[in-house]
Amino acid sequence: DQQVKQNSPSLSVQEGRISILNCDYTNSMFDYFLWYKKYPAEGPTFLISISSIKDKNEDGRFTVFLNKSAKHLSLHIVPSQPGDSAVYFCAAHWSGGSNYKLTFGKGTLLTVNP
Amino acid sequence: NAGVMQNPRHLVRRRGQEARLRCSPMKGHSHVYWYRQLPEEGLKFMVYLQKENIIDESGMPKERFSAEFPKEGPSILRIQQVVRGDSAAYFCASSPPGLPGTDTQYFGPGTRLTVL
Repeated sequence: DQQVKQNSPSLSVQEGRISILNCDYTNSMFDYFLWYKKYPAEGPTFLISISSIKDKNEDGRFTVFLNKSAKHLSLHIVPSQPGDSAVYFCAAHWSGGSNYKLTFGKGTLLTVNP
Repeated sequence: NAGVMQNPRHLVRRRGQEARLRCSPMKGHSHVYWYRQLPEEGLKFMVYLQKENIIDESGMPKERFSAEFPKEGPSILRIQQVVRGDSAAYFCASSPPGLPGTDTQYFGPGTRLTVL
């Protein structure tokens, strides 16, 4: 049972344009969401997070939007740069349970073309 | 200021052998977490340890898998009598002392286990 779903295995974007990565979740108990970035042969690196009490969180070129009613979140990268090319994982957890136990999606491979 | 270290980076075992994966957390970190990524899947939580204590092993398979984090030395994930289905990337993460959390978890580069 895939509780966190990233339905697009890959995304290709031109440098300077916006990249939008999507994530859906089924477990309504999740109340904290994170995005990780992973380069080949490296571990995931924390990028940005959002609590369910918010609907938007921004950090530089990265913005995460949360739509609780749709159980959907998205990561916007603007402007996209070639160095952003990586696999992006959406992850979630429930603060009322084990707040260290992340549930990950399968990831989306982002390719930013120069 | 080294990050989370994992070794070996690649491990090949034949069916029935044992696999030992090691994880050295970041300096000053006292919480260790192990995750497994099967092919075409996301990372899945396996176990959370503090020094000399297993806090949560709810994600560990009931048989053949064990984990430890001794007072001295790295955390070890041990898989006995490996089977082909154990082939995966195993990631370790660590976090600082205090309340465990998720956005303070720093991941290692992973160990890719291949079972022949």
